Amino acid sequence: EIALTQSPGTLSLSPGERATLSCRASQSVSSTYLAWYQQKPGQAPRLLIYGASTRATGIPDRFSGSGSGTDFTLTINRLEPEDFAVYYCQRYASSTYSFGQGTKLEIK
Amino acid sequence: QVQLVQSGAEVKKPGASVKVSCKASGYTFTDFYVHWVRQVPGQGLEWMGWVNPKNGVTNYAQKFQGRVSMTRDTSISTAYMELSRLRSDDTAVYYCARIYTYYDVLTSSYSDGLDMWGQGTMVTVSS
Repeated sequence: EIALTQSPGTLSLSPGERATLSCRASQSVSSTYLAWYQQKPGQAPRLLIYGASTRATGIPDRFSGSGSGTDFTLTINRLEPEDFAVYYCQRYASSTYSFGQGTKLEIK
Repeated sequence: QVQLVQSGAEVKKPGASVKVSCKASGYTFTDFYVHWVRQVPGQGLEWMGWVNPKNGVTNYAQKFQGRVSMTRDTSISTAYMELSRLRSDDTAVYYCARIYTYYDVLTSSYSDGLDMWGQGTMVTVSS
């Protein structure tokens, strides 16, 4: 089974800075089936990015996704206070899905 | 508006079963697969499986094979997830989510994402 490893585990930044979150797959993953989610405490996850690079409806353009093969990146430009949360990547292959372990983005 | 509303919190004893419901509204229930994802308190997201509301076909994560059953009742636009032989480490928030498939005309490819989630159902397993 393909495993997703996210890094760093925790990222401490200040509002206005840029965040770069990594998601590495143990085997090559189709970029069309790589998604990113944001989860805030006490809330359900929210879809940010699908197809590795396409923003979901209503997602601000400061969020961007990139990557292919085994390495994918979520970039958040000009961090806003509401962006501090946990972020998960997710992949689909052979009718099954799995999530990375998450990256916590905290205020420095 | 599109929403998924789940049933309320449950407390179960080890060895028992729990059945969580997920009622869809605001869209055609049979047009989108329903996935189930759980989250142990303080930990990450764990995918459990999906059910196709149109025909009832399911696919489960290997970890839950033999212990989970995902069903649906199209007459009331509701999906269900039943987990049996509960253990203390099944204590978690269980989410249902709709999977939306996107088609990119430029690349002639499909991609998908869990675009709508229920509010979550806390299941506590304790003796």
